[in-house]
Amino acid sequence: GAVVSQHPSWVICKSGTSVKIECRSLDFQATTMFWYRQFPKQSLMLMATSNEGSKATYEQGVEKDKFLINHASLTLSTLTVTSAHPEDSSFYICSAGGQSQNGYTFGSGTRLTVV
Amino acid sequence: GQSLEQPSEVTAVEGAIVQINCTYQTSGFYGLSWYQQHDGGAPTFLSYNALDGLEETGRFSSFLSRSDSYGYLLLQELQMKDSASYFCAVRARPRNRDDKIIFGKGTRLHILP
Repeated sequence: GAVVSQHPSWVICKSGTSVKIECRSLDFQATTMFWYRQFPKQSLMLMATSNEGSKATYEQGVEKDKFLINHASLTLSTLTVTSAHPEDSSFYICSAGGQSQNGYTFGSGTRLTVV
Repeated sequence: GQSLEQPSEVTAVEGAIVQINCTYQTSGFYGLSWYQQHDGGAPTFLSYNALDGLEETGRFSSFLSRSDSYGYLLLQELQMKDSASYFCAVRARPRNRDDKIIFGKGTRLHILP
């Protein structure tokens, strides 16, 4: 089945630094990828939709200058958390798919801790 | 916008059957998915209903009624490993927007021995 690889699986960074998270579709081409954020014991909140070759579409309330998304190829999308703050600490998950009527495949997630 | 409602918690006994309901409101509805998520892990796909009716996959079944904007996930022969959070998710394409998947708040399933 479809596999989505996400790296890193966890990262600790200092306040004010930037962190890049990668999401790759390994055995299929994904024209669209989704980025979600999940706080403990809460649901997955859609942050943005990443489209290959064009600008990402951000959900209301998500700062596009803070969460930079690049989808330069059909197999890779990246999310960069810029000038990270402790409140950005969360579980970030990417998703890709749509290859069939079944659900989208999720990456394994990245647990970001900003200290 | 989109909204989904599902119970926050459900408790059942090992070996029993449990049903988790989900109601939704959205435009451009394509289908309803269910995902399982264990603590610390990523969501895993369980089922997808685009048409009315029941879809069965092993111990798990999912139902959709598009006219009622309602669906449910049915888990049979519950096992302790089924203790997890279960999310219903709507696949929709709101006008002039991309295809997207929006998640409900999740139902925490507790299984008692």
